[in-house]
Amino acid sequence: DAGVIQSPRHEVTEMGQEVTLRCKPISGHDYLFWYRQTMMRGLELLIYFNNNVPIDDSGMPEDRFSAKMPNASFSTLKIQPSEPRDSAVYFCASSLASWVMNTEAFFGQGTRLTVV
Amino acid sequence: SQQGEEDPQALSIQEGENATMNCSYKTSINNLQWYRQNSGRGLVHLILIRSNEREKHSGRLRVTLDTSKKSSSLLITASRAADTASYFCATGTDKLIFGTGTRLQVFP
Repeated sequence: DAGVIQSPRHEVTEMGQEVTLRCKPISGHDYLFWYRQTMMRGLELLIYFNNNVPIDDSGMPEDRFSAKMPNASFSTLKIQPSEPRDSAVYFCASSLASWVMNTEAFFGQGTRLTVV
Repeated sequence: SQQGEEDPQALSIQEGENATMNCSYKTSINNLQWYRQNSGRGLVHLILIRSNEREKHSGRLRVTLDTSKKSSSLLITASRAADTASYFCATGTDKLIFGTGTRLQVFP
């Protein structure tokens, strides 16, 4: 397997524009996570899915953020409208089972988002 | 909010020396994991220690866990320049929460 694949790797957009980040998890993994990393706040869990169903979105900062997982092999994180403070590296990760089952997470290479 | 806090925030050592990083966490856990992040890359899993384990080894890595103190340590022995990276601990039950990380610089 090629691992968790994220696209695009870099995104530069103007404030107010819609941004869509994409993720393909490892085949067979039941859990998918979206994290955001900034210097100020570190790694923050935004939302996670189990079997394509959103389980916990308490980390989603605002209504401008939304995430979907239409099938087991694809997820999107959308920001509409984008703001400069959304600039960060966004990571997608997947795992075979929940942390309760003592499994590890596999991370994608991240999408570096810059909102100007 | 972050579950784990690493200490120190930054560490600089020479090749061949040992590097020790510490992690403290707040709530009860099922396991504690350590990850490495090279600059501009995603996180890579290093080692997992279960809540009923006290010590675990993997190659040059040694992890300890003290649930009574809610703390863990990661020891990298005989460090190499290639070990230069940020190291994070992560804990959780239903969701994995990462600490603030330790930036390790190993000079040749």
